[in-house]
Amino acid sequence: AQSVSQHNHHVILSEAASLELGCNYSYGGTVNLFWYVQYPGQHLQLLLKYFSGDPLVKGIKGFEAEFIKSKFSFNLRKPSVQWSDTAEYFCAVHGGTSYGKLTFGQGTILTVHP
Amino acid sequence: KAGVTQTPRYLIKTRGQQVTLSCSPISGHRSVSWYQQTPGQGLQFLFEYFSETQRNKGNFPGRFSGRQFSNSRSEMNVSTLELGDSALYLCASSSEPGLAGAEQYFGPGTRLTVT
Repeated sequence: AQSVSQHNHHVILSEAASLELGCNYSYGGTVNLFWYVQYPGQHLQLLLKYFSGDPLVKGIKGFEAEFIKSKFSFNLRKPSVQWSDTAEYFCAVHGGTSYGKLTFGQGTILTVHP
Repeated sequence: KAGVTQTPRYLIKTRGQQVTLSCSPISGHRSVSWYQQTPGQGLQFLFEYFSETQRNKGNFPGRFSGRQFSNSRSEMNVSTLELGDSALYLCASSSEPGLAGAEQYFGPGTRLTVT
């Protein structure tokens, strides 16, 4: 069975600090990987995705993530966070032919202080 | 393009009742997935429908069911409600039916409270 682990439950940063959120997954086959963000009071939005090709993927709002197959990891990064990045971030995995099923991590709450 | 819409946005029900939630996918999207989000369990997959057929089902009891109509709109039903069914129910749609792992676009959810 697939599983996803996000290392940090709550991360607190000051504006302009760099961000890295960890995500590890467990699945033996080909995977598609996603990061979603949920801003306060808003619905889940897709930040970025990895299907194949260049393991470094860029998303919206300056976020990027790197897929490291040997480590089963897909960490999210941003060089300089802003107060508006305060949100909950979810890593998700789709594996094999499990139609329509994303397996999500528990989420990381990011709080950015101005 | 309009996003995924879900109705109603909020519901309060009593234990033992049943409830039906509705989801309208993004125009042109034919795959609809449902998730339950709770503070304790996080986001958990309920089921997925494509072309009116359930292609995948998560690990939930039979009280949870769904269906999809020919216009791709979907409903989910929960019968004999329990207190533990209180959650945010999310619907997501996807545009690429042949690609099982396409990205999903989420609606705002229906907040169900069971008393």
